[in-house]
Amino acid sequence: DQQVKQNSPSLSVQEGRISILNCDYTNSMFDYFLWYKKYPAEGPTFLISISSIKDKNEDGRFTVFLNKSAKHLSLHIVPSQPGDSAVYFCAASLLNYNTDKLIFGTGTRLQVFP
Amino acid sequence: KAGVTQTPRYLIKTRGQQVTLSCSPISGHRSVSWYQQTPGQGLQFLFEYFSETQRNKGNFPGRFSGRQFSNSRSEMNVSTLELGDSALYLCASSSSDNYGYTFGSGTRLTVV
Repeated sequence: DQQVKQNSPSLSVQEGRISILNCDYTNSMFDYFLWYKKYPAEGPTFLISISSIKDKNEDGRFTVFLNKSAKHLSLHIVPSQPGDSAVYFCAASLLNYNTDKLIFGTGTRLQVFP
Repeated sequence: KAGVTQTPRYLIKTRGQQVTLSCSPISGHRSVSWYQQTPGQGLQFLFEYFSETQRNKGNFPGRFSGRQFSNSRSEMNVSTLELGDSALYLCASSSSDNYGYTFGSGTRLTVV
């Protein structure tokens, strides 16, 4: 049972345009969401997070939106750059349940072309 | 500040053997988690250790085990290896002050 889903395995965007990566979840108890970026042969690196009490969090070119009623979050990258080409994982957590366990989606491979 | 260190980086084992992977977390981080990454499955949670105690466990068979030492270093062991165990095994550490994992580069295990 996949509690966190990234239904698009890949996304191709032109440099300078907006990249939108989507993530859906099924457990309404999740209270913290994170996005990680992963380059080949490296471990995932933390990108941005959002608490369930917010609906938007912004950090430079990266913005995460959370729609709790739809159990949906998205990551917007504006403007997209070739260096953003990587696999992006969304993850959800039960932060208030004394655990650091994260449930990850299957990832979306983003390719930014010139 | 040193990151999360995983050793070895690459490993080839045959079916039926056992393997031990090592993870050294960031200094001061007391929580260490292990994940398995396979194509199409994403990152799947194996287990989490905090102060030498297993705090959470994923849905993996008992062949997968782990432990954490007093210096927060962690090991993961897989016994009776199967072909399907071939994957990238990632370790991540976190502190209670800053929620958000820092991952190591992983150990690529190939079972032949």
